[in-house]
Amino acid sequence: KNEVEQSPQNLTAQEGEFITINCSYSVGISALHWLQQHPGGGIVSLFMLSSGKKKHGRLIATINIQEKHSSLHITASHPRDSAVYICANSRYGSARQLTFGSGTQLTVLP
Amino acid sequence: NAGVTQTPKFQVLKTGQSMTLQCAQDMNHNSMYWYRQDPGMGLRLIYYSASEGTTDKGEVPNGYNVSRLNKREFSLRLESAAPSQTSVYFCASSERTGVITGELFFGEGSRLTVL
Repeated sequence: KNEVEQSPQNLTAQEGEFITINCSYSVGISALHWLQQHPGGGIVSLFMLSSGKKKHGRLIATINIQEKHSSLHITASHPRDSAVYICANSRYGSARQLTFGSGTQLTVLP
Repeated sequence: NAGVTQTPKFQVLKTGQSMTLQCAQDMNHNSMYWYRQDPGMGLRLIYYSASEGTTDKGEVPNGYNVSRLNKREFSLRLESAAPSQTSVYFCASSERTGVITGELFFGEGSRLTVL
């Protein structure tokens, strides 16, 4: 069974702190997605990666295929980064179905 | 570009009523999805469509039907709503290259309450 676990479930940080959100999964995958869900409910895609590392502005996503683990880092965090961050993977042979983690609620205080 | 548009944004139904959630995308994507999101749970796939004219059941299809009307539109129908279907529903689309699902684009969500 493809299980996706995120940690921590909740995270509170001070503005400017470096933040790490972790995602572990149990099966071989073809790709991993990081999503951001805004307080208003909308969901946007941040990254899709199948190996290595990707960077976009202050956001960095890494994946270790052998360890079945991915991390999302936010540098110089800001209150506008407050959101729910969700990881999801698609497994080999079942790419149509993404399995989602339950999300990490991030609150960045000014 | 509008991206993914879904309607309605809010709906209250009585048990047994029917309704259709509409979704349209303007990115020429082949793959479209309907998910539901419940508190404390990850997004769960209801139905999936790989291309116009094809649909497949996801993790939680019971009580729902779908129609892929054309490449742009993918609708979700509740024939006889039940309180257990109270949820937030998201439509999404993506391209797919081989076995890799591409970047996902989501609609704004539809909050459905069944009394």
